[in-house]
Amino acid sequence: QVQLQESGPGLVKPSETLSLTCNVSGGSIDSYYWAWIRQPPGKGLEWIAYIYYSGSTAYNPSLKSGVSISIDTSKNQVSLRLNFVTAADTGTYYCAGGANNWYSLDYWGQGTLVAVSS
Amino acid sequence: DIQMTQSPSSLSASVGDRVTITCRASQSINNYLNWYQLKPGKAPKVLIYAASNLHSGVPSRFSGSGSGTDFTLTISSLQPEDFATYYCQQSYSTAPETFGQGTKVDVK
Repeated sequence: QVQLQESGPGLVKPSETLSLTCNVSGGSIDSYYWAWIRQPPGKGLEWIAYIYYSGSTAYNPSLKSGVSISIDTSKNQVSLRLNFVTAADTGTYYCAGGANNWYSLDYWGQGTLVAVSS
Repeated sequence: DIQMTQSPSSLSASVGDRVTITCRASQSINNYLNWYQLKPGKAPKVLIYAASNLHSGVPSRFSGSGSGTDFTLTISSLQPEDFATYYCQQSYSTAPETFGQGTKVDVK
């Protein structure tokens, strides 16, 4: 069974870069598509980015700061970088993945809480 | 962007009740509609994929229906472990894929 575990800094200062890592176990990372989703406090889910089997990526255009998703097959990790963060980037960040033709997110981590504050 | 409108935003129900949540897309998404369950402090779970397919291991009291723009998640007999928040998600159009606003199911 595929298991995901996110890790991150917990606290980031405004205008800095947020880097998150998702460790994947129980499956080959290049057999799935991967996504990052976040949930601001008291709000709903927001899709951030995808990376597909082919290595192609897709990003939410509404994110004003630079976003980058990548995978490291040697470490079985999916990573997210979010540049120039603001308080609006505070929330719980989830790593998720799947492997079907409907792009449902079948596997999720428990999430990592990130606060943006000086 | 495709907008997903989910209703109601919350509902109160009792164990054994039949619960129905609806999700409407701003344009046709065929059957690229998925349902998730979120509980605080736990990893979210997929319940239904492709509008009506029960994900492996999900109890059969959960069911999904619909196609095009209108979709429904039904819990036939609410169990204590089903008190949670439910989200629909369209996976028809990427960048962005979008979620509904969520429906919180709590105890009546």
